[in-house]
Amino acid sequence: EVQLVESGGGLVQPGGSLRLSCAASGFTFSRYWMHWVRQAPGKGLVWVSRINSDGSSTSYADSVKGRFTISRDNAKNTLYLQMNSLRAEDTALYYCARRSTLHPSAVDYWGQGTLVTVSS
Amino acid sequence: SYELTQPPSVSVSPGQTASITCSGDKLGDKFASWYQQKPGQSPVLVIYQDTKRPSGIPERFSGSNSGNTATLTISGTQAMDEADYYCQAWDSTNVVFGGGTKLTVL
Repeated sequence: EVQLVESGGGLVQPGGSLRLSCAASGFTFSRYWMHWVRQAPGKGLVWVSRINSDGSSTSYADSVKGRFTISRDNAKNTLYLQMNSLRAEDTALYYCARRSTLHPSAVDYWGQGTLVTVSS
Repeated sequence: SYELTQPPSVSVSPGQTASITCSGDKLGDKFASWYQQKPGQSPVLVIYQDTKRPSGIPERFSGSNSGNTATLTISGTQAMDEADYYCQAWDSTNVVFGGGTKLTVL
């Protein structure tokens, strides 16, 4: 069974940093592109970042470019999101998600999310 | 940056057909996916590659994509289909989600 379990969320002050983790199991993690997607309270889904299967290629939404870094450790089956210079508008539930086996344009598995709150 | 536009809300009576649109520049040249999200739950893929349903998704869910508009259609809508729906596509190297549509089954 495919499982994605996020952790690392919490309360952080504006300007602070946080590192999110996503532990993957039930599939060959090293073969899949992965994404981070966030959802502010009561709002819609917003794509944040993606990384290819070996970590050599990444891309970011303009809103986080230069502040967030996506990475992965295929030996540990874990995806990361390093978030620096956090702002109030980064407050959201952060999901990790797997590129679909059905078609590369879709996402087929999502974690339950980890909540990040940026506030003083 | 690329944008996908959805109506904020759509209402439908039980048993009727609901259509949710997603508009974007030349969206028909891209592949559209659709996700269902119920309160307190993670999103679920219901349509991928414009028209295809993953295993376990009821046949009443269908999709189309042409020109500038992708459409999610739910035939014979049931109360359990009440949820938020999001379209999604790729623009170059980035993923884009629509703003979401709240489907209410009255």
